[in-house]
Amino acid sequence: DQQVKQNSPSLSVQEGRISILNCDYTNSMFDYFLWYKKYPAEGPTFLISISSIKDKNEDGRFTVFLNKSAKHLSLHIVPSQPGDSAVYFCAASSRGTALIFGKGTTLSVSS
Amino acid sequence: EADIYQTPRYLVIGTGKKITLECSQTMGHDKMYWYQQDPGMELHLIHYSYGVNSTEKGDLSSESTVSRIRTEHFPLTLESARPSHTSQYLCASSGGRSGRNEKLFFGSGTQLSVL
Repeated sequence: DQQVKQNSPSLSVQEGRISILNCDYTNSMFDYFLWYKKYPAEGPTFLISISSIKDKNEDGRFTVFLNKSAKHLSLHIVPSQPGDSAVYFCAASSRGTALIFGKGTTLSVSS
Repeated sequence: EADIYQTPRYLVIGTGKKITLECSQTMGHDKMYWYQQDPGMELHLIHYSYGVNSTEKGDLSSESTVSRIRTEHFPLTLESARPSHTSQYLCASSGGRSGRNEKLFFGSGTQLSVL
C-alpha cells in the first residue's frame, strides 16, 4: 500500500499565479518530508524540506506547509514561472531511513 | 552542488546481455541508493548501502545485484537483461548519519531499454 500519495497526476497554472501541489501520507512515523523536481530523463533535484517539528518552511518562491494531524503537506510556488514546468515528487522518511516517494504531479505553467 | 555521476546516460541492449550501471560520488557519503522509476510512477528503492561492504535489498524486488567495495562507487549489475528491466535507474547518496534525516543527492540517471 502506498505510504506517500500524490492524488493529482497533473496541474496546469498560468504564469504569475500560485501553484499548489498536494501530498498525503499514511505512516505517522514519518518525521522528514521533501519535495523534488524532475525533468524527463534527468535525476530529481532537491527543492525544499521540512521537519515534523515545524509546520512551514520557506525558500524564495517555494513554501512547504505540513499539517501533521491531517497527515498532509503541500508545496506552494509563487509566482509560477514557465521554467517550473516539471514533475514534482513528494518524499518522506523516518529516523534517517531511505526516502519513500509519491507518484509525482506534472506541473505545466503556461505563459 | 551534488557531485554524483552515472554512466551511461542511455543504454539500448539486447535480451540476455549482462550490463553494469556505474555510479560514483565524490562527496564522501556513506549512504548510497539505487531507485527505479517508470513514467507516472513513484521512485522504487531497489538497493541501498550504508557503507563499504554493506548492501541491502530495497522495497521493490529486483533481479539486479550491487556491490560497495569503495565508498565512492556503487555499481548495479544485471546478469541477464530482459525487456521487463526497461526503466530509468537513479543512483543517489546522502551524508546522513544513522538515525538522522538528510536529503538525497541524485545522479542524472540511466535510461535502460532492453529489446
